[in-house]
Amino acid sequence: GQQLNQSPQSMFIQEGEDVSMNCTSSSIFNTWLWYKQDPGEGPVLLIALYKAGELTSNGRLTAQFGITRKDSFLNISASIPSDVGIYFCAGRSSGTYKYIFGTGTRLKVLA
Amino acid sequence: GAVVSQHPSRVICKSGTSVKIECRSLDFQATTMFWYRQFPKQSLMLMATSNEGSKATYEQGVEKDKFLINHASLTLSTLTVTSAHPEDSSFYICSAKPDREVNEQFFGPGTRLTVL
Repeated sequence: GQQLNQSPQSMFIQEGEDVSMNCTSSSIFNTWLWYKQDPGEGPVLLIALYKAGELTSNGRLTAQFGITRKDSFLNISASIPSDVGIYFCAGRSSGTYKYIFGTGTRLKVLA
Repeated sequence: GAVVSQHPSRVICKSGTSVKIECRSLDFQATTMFWYRQFPKQSLMLMATSNEGSKATYEQGVEKDKFLINHASLTLSTLTVTSAHPEDSSFYICSAKPDREVNEQFFGPGTRLTVL
């Protein structure tokens, strides 16, 4: 099935550093969602974006809906060890409830 | 709010047997639920859309006779893996879209299926 390209695929960072990741699509989306998945568990919704250009924060997390509607970005400020996990973007086109998921960004935080 | 449960969390079965996985929305109604499969270190792949009161819609390449979906009520969808084989071993995750929401989906904790 179709997947969105996420970058980077994985990253090691030091505790306290900021993290940036992005998701790109060849299609235009109406909604972007960002999820975090811990090992052996289901994804947990972090942030939802509904309009092009929208910038939304959830604590130390900030996500943006790209103005072209073909990309989205997630930033994590001042990372902490519990930020470890896999982050997935998901995009939805108009006329469907279905989401397409990104390939994931695996984050590892070094204390 | 928006809690989704799955049962069982883990199941080990012999090849050729059938396994049923339940997905429940605990504090909201969900006419539409989704079933995903996730292989190790890979992303979530949508298998099918489950609709209460009607037939499920399967994604291309997913065998509907092998993966039976029943959406019996507004809070329960089941996925039955029939005649399971080792290649069906995977992490199966459901999500539910609250009827009040157009845009968001909430995931269950997943079911780890191992077929011996």
